[in-house]
Amino acid sequence: GQQVMQIPQYQHVQEGEDFTTYCNSSTTLSNIQWYKQRPGGHPVFLIQLVKSGEVKKQKRLTFQFGEAKKNSSLHITATQTTDVGTYFCAGSKTSGTYKYIFGTGTRLKVLA
Amino acid sequence: EAGVAQSPRYKIIEKRQSVAFWCNPISGHATLYWYQQILGQGPKLLIQFQNNGVVDDSQLPKDRFSAERLKGVDSTLKIQPAKLEDSAVYLCASSSLRVGLNYGYTFGSGTRLTVV
Repeated sequence: GQQVMQIPQYQHVQEGEDFTTYCNSSTTLSNIQWYKQRPGGHPVFLIQLVKSGEVKKQKRLTFQFGEAKKNSSLHITATQTTDVGTYFCAGSKTSGTYKYIFGTGTRLKVLA
Repeated sequence: EAGVAQSPRYKIIEKRQSVAFWCNPISGHATLYWYQQILGQGPKLLIQFQNNGVVDDSQLPKDRFSAERLKGVDSTLKIQPAKLEDSAVYLCASSSLRVGLNYGYTFGSGTRLTVV
C-alpha cells in the first residue's frame, strides 16, 4: 500500500537556525498537504500543494512539491520557539477522493 | 465558524470493555474522518464518510471497531472489546468538498484513550 516517509524523525536546532523536513511517497501523488501538531495538540492544516514543482511560501515557511510528485519538503528559515512541534506531510494518491495518508512526522525542538 | 467537536477528551477503560467516541463536524462539511494516532506516530485513517455513506474503511479493524454517521452530520466510533494496543488518540476531522483543493482537514481535539 501507499507509504509516506519523513526524515529526519527528530531535529533539535538553536533558535535562529534553519530547519528542513523531507517527505517521500512510495507512489506518485495527486497533491500533498502539510500539518503542524503542537505537543499535546491536534494537527493543524498549513498548506496544500498540487502542481509538479510547485513552491509556496508562508512567511518563514517554504513548501516545495517535487517534479515527479513523489516528494515534498518544508523549510523554516530562522526558527523561533513557536515553531516547536511535529510536522506531518499527508499525500493523496487520487484526485477528488480527499483521502490522505499521513507521513511519519518530524518532531522539531527549538532551543532558545 | 465553530470547530470540530469531540467528546470525551479522555477515557480510561479496562481491556475487554467497550467505549464510544462522539464527533460533531463543522457545519456543512460533507466528509468526516476518524483517525487513530498512536504516541509518536502519524495519524492513521480508520474510516472516511461522505455524507452518511462510507467511502473507505479498509483500515478499520471491523472485528472490534464500528462507526456510523447517521443523517450525515455527527458520528460515533465504537470499540468493543478494547485491547491494550488500542491505546491512542482518536482524532475526528472534517473537510468541505465545495471549496475544492485549497482546504485541508480540520481536526478536533481528539479523545485520548488509555486501555489498562
